[in-house]
Amino acid sequence: DAGITQSPRHKVTETGTPVTLRCHQTENHRYMYWYRQDPGHGLRLIHYSYGVKDTDKGEVSDGYSVSRSKTEDFLLTLESATSSQTSVYFCAISESKQQETQYFGPGTRLLVL
Amino acid sequence: GESVGLHLPTLSVQEGDNSIINCAYSNSASDYFIWYKQESGKGPQFIIDIRSNMDKRQGQRVTVLLNKTVKHLSLQIAATQPGDSAVYFCAENRSTGSARQLTFGSGTQLTVLP
Repeated sequence: DAGITQSPRHKVTETGTPVTLRCHQTENHRYMYWYRQDPGHGLRLIHYSYGVKDTDKGEVSDGYSVSRSKTEDFLLTLESATSSQTSVYFCAISESKQQETQYFGPGTRLLVL
Repeated sequence: GESVGLHLPTLSVQEGDNSIINCAYSNSASDYFIWYKQESGKGPQFIIDIRSNMDKRQGQRVTVLLNKTVKHLSLQIAATQPGDSAVYFCAENRSTGSARQLTFGSGTQLTVLP
């Protein structure tokens, strides 16, 4: 998985609780992305980062926030988890804007009860 | 809106036969396309890519064809093997200012029969 780890790999939580997912890369790539994958929707972009402290919204950003304090880590936070956020979350990285190919991590399966 | 779609949600082929997975796209501004393979419980894995200034690109046992006239993309897998069983996604990639973003189709499940 191209030097990308995600933690935790599985999580069960209750509605209304905060949840933070971590993506860690060892490739020193500038760009990092968070996607969610749901049946019938493929992968949809939540947020992305184009550098340390530089982030922007994707297609389905409502209810999510991100932070990137160092190159190797990109955190996704659900401030108050809802059942609609039950999904599989994937982190991806790419080397530069010109290097368009994105490489994906193994995913985090989140269940919100 | 702009979207990437797949013609068939499932495809079954005999081991050793060739597989063809199709994809339609509607955003004429897309200039780069990627095929990913996703096995159960894993993240998408890059297979092959193609730029819009190309019609065909070959990799190891895989070929991607791009027809810009009808906005159609296909992935051909030669001599399909059991290990090729997976969900295949096409994705279109275009610049959005600060980054390049991928838009994925919903995927095609390829099953290789013995």
